[in-house]
Amino acid sequence: AQKVTQAQTEISVVEKEDVTLDCVYETRDTTYYLFWYKQPPSGELVFLIRRNSFDEQNEISGRYSWNFQKSTSSFNFTITASQVVDSAVYFCAPPNFGNEKLTFGTGTRLTIIP
Amino acid sequence: GAVVSQHPSRVICKSGTSVKIECRSLDFQATTMFWYRQFPKQSLMLMATSNEGSKATYEQGVEKDKFLINHASLTLSTLTVTSAHPEDSSFYICSARSDRLSSYNSPLHFGNGTRLTVT
Repeated sequence: AQKVTQAQTEISVVEKEDVTLDCVYETRDTTYYLFWYKQPPSGELVFLIRRNSFDEQNEISGRYSWNFQKSTSSFNFTITASQVVDSAVYFCAPPNFGNEKLTFGTGTRLTIIP
Repeated sequence: GAVVSQHPSRVICKSGTSVKIECRSLDFQATTMFWYRQFPKQSLMLMATSNEGSKATYEQGVEKDKFLINHASLTLSTLTVTSAHPEDSSFYICSARSDRLSSYNSPLHFGNGTRLTVT
């Protein structure tokens, strides 16, 4: 069985600070993908990134970066120079092999204080 | 591309009435769509998998007679909350991925959600 854990329920940082959101994914699968989604206060879900278990290189996209370490089952997401618009709930989500369902972690509510 | 449209965005209804929520893939075909429910400050919970041309598959604990799903075409799935009660008040959100990319490793695209309030 697979298990995804986002231990940080809520985080608040002052604008322009860096912040890292943690995600730990436990599975017996040797090959897997993980997704990150953002849910702003308006409610829609925005796809941010997909990474596979073979790729442990950091991924950087503007102010966003992701660090995937298979040895620790962690897939962490860092926002540098945070902005108020980054305030949202961020979900880590692994898909289920054999079907197309997506299971979401409990989410981390990020608040950027101006 | 890959736009999912959900309607209505908000609905308020009286207890005992039924509410229909539509989910459309605007620029792609989706044999499979997914319906999620989200209570305030909680995660998204998968309710059911909607399959075009066949019966929906419901997750454990979700009443199929309560939440009727119809996937009439490759671009439209509907969720009907029958005989709604205040405890059904929630945020309902649908999702889909293009049949051309139909795989567990391609991202799901989500509608903007429907906030249902049952009074």
